[in-house]
Amino acid sequence: SQQGEEDPQALSIQEGENATMNCSYKTSINNLQWYRQNSGRGLVHLILIRSNEREKHSGRLRVTLDTSKKSSSLLITASRAADTASYFCATGVQGAQKLVFGQGTRLTINP
Amino acid sequence: GAVVSQHPSRVICKSGTSVKIECRSLDFQATTMFWYRQFPKQSLMLMATSNEGSKATYEQGVEKDKFLINHASLTLSTLTVTSAHPEDSSFYICSAISEAYYSGNTIYFGEGSWLTVV
Repeated sequence: SQQGEEDPQALSIQEGENATMNCSYKTSINNLQWYRQNSGRGLVHLILIRSNEREKHSGRLRVTLDTSKKSSSLLITASRAADTASYFCATGVQGAQKLVFGQGTRLTINP
Repeated sequence: GAVVSQHPSRVICKSGTSVKIECRSLDFQATTMFWYRQFPKQSLMLMATSNEGSKATYEQGVEKDKFLINHASLTLSTLTVTSAHPEDSSFYICSAISEAYYSGNTIYFGEGSWLTVV
């Protein structure tokens, strides 16, 4: 079963702009992870944020986590055409080994 | 380089036949492996969790007799789609974790396997 929703489902912006994607989840979590997937390919792990962390940075990526609202956001700054992909959040469910994915956001960066 | 390898990356099979997909951890012992399926433009749906040496735990709605999962060693898990039908056509992805996952190590995903049933 899906853990939560991602918003927006699709996002199209111009190269150089910032892209923000949001993720909400339902259960208690150990961590939340963001992944990227190019069409028809496997997943690329982007960043992991633990339940006791509020913000994390990695290069042009910034992730926030609000456990009180059960939500997270992924910000990609200074977007590039190569950032075009689908982005998924995935939650490490507390008390379970499994990773449950959100619906994903299809991001298109227009040159 | 890839630390989890899936094979085959693409397979076409006839309706009614069975097809096996392998997931191998290349340089670590995968105590737990996960199998997902993904339909076009949709998210990954967890099918089952597989612990080495024990029976897989299937998610609700996944037919265990149709999707046979075997995790006989610490480096190999297999998914066999039995009596495949066109509606089983999908992208199947495995992932694997070691004991180090619980100390902060990451989860590794395979490149996925495209199954087309004709």
